[in-house]
Amino acid sequence: KNEVEQSPQNLTAQEGEFITINCSYSVGISALHWLQQHPGGGIVSLFMLSSGKKKHGRLIATINIQEKHSSLHITASHPRDSAVYICAVGGSGGGADGLTFGKGTHLIIQP
Amino acid sequence: DVKVTQSSRYLVKRTGEKVFLECVQDMDHENMFWYRQDPGLGLRLIYFSYDVKMKEKGDIPEGYSVSREKKERFSLILESASTNQTSMYLCASSLLDRGFSVTGELFFGEGSRLTVL
Repeated sequence: KNEVEQSPQNLTAQEGEFITINCSYSVGISALHWLQQHPGGGIVSLFMLSSGKKKHGRLIATINIQEKHSSLHITASHPRDSAVYICAVGGSGGGADGLTFGKGTHLIIQP
Repeated sequence: DVKVTQSSRYLVKRTGEKVFLECVQDMDHENMFWYRQDPGLGLRLIYFSYDVKMKEKGDIPEGYSVSREKKERFSLILESASTNQTSMYLCASSLLDRGFSVTGELFFGEGSRLTVL
């Protein structure tokens, strides 16, 4: 079973700072997901990637398959970016086995 | 706008009651999932389904059952609710790829917060 580790667990930063959240996994995968969860529960998919880099607005996700590592970056952070960011990996179990999730990074952006 | 809809946002039930949590998706996805989310433990897979009437146990299926009679609907059933099933329950759906793995984008419902007294 894949082990997924996220760091840091908690992060507080000032508005405008560049944010990096890291995710490492132990077994090769087909895809990695970055998810965002705001207070109240709903989860939104930010990125799904299997190689290289993706960008959406101020968010950038990268993955290094050889190192089994991914990063999520937020440029020009804003208080509305405050949320829990969750990394999840899929396709490593050889079957329809769902995803393995990290425990999440709780991000607070202060004005 | 694509959507996964969970039937109840908040439920309060008593120990021993039967609880139904329903999830409907309008994207014609093959995969549907039920997770529970607890502080410090993250999301854990209870059951998933990759086709109508098909179901597979996840990491924590004990105390739960599921039903998928129609492609768009996936129900989670707690036959006899217990206090340790107090949690946030999240339903998700995705497309199924040829390898039967979750490599498609995931879509989540808003979650159902269940309290068992």
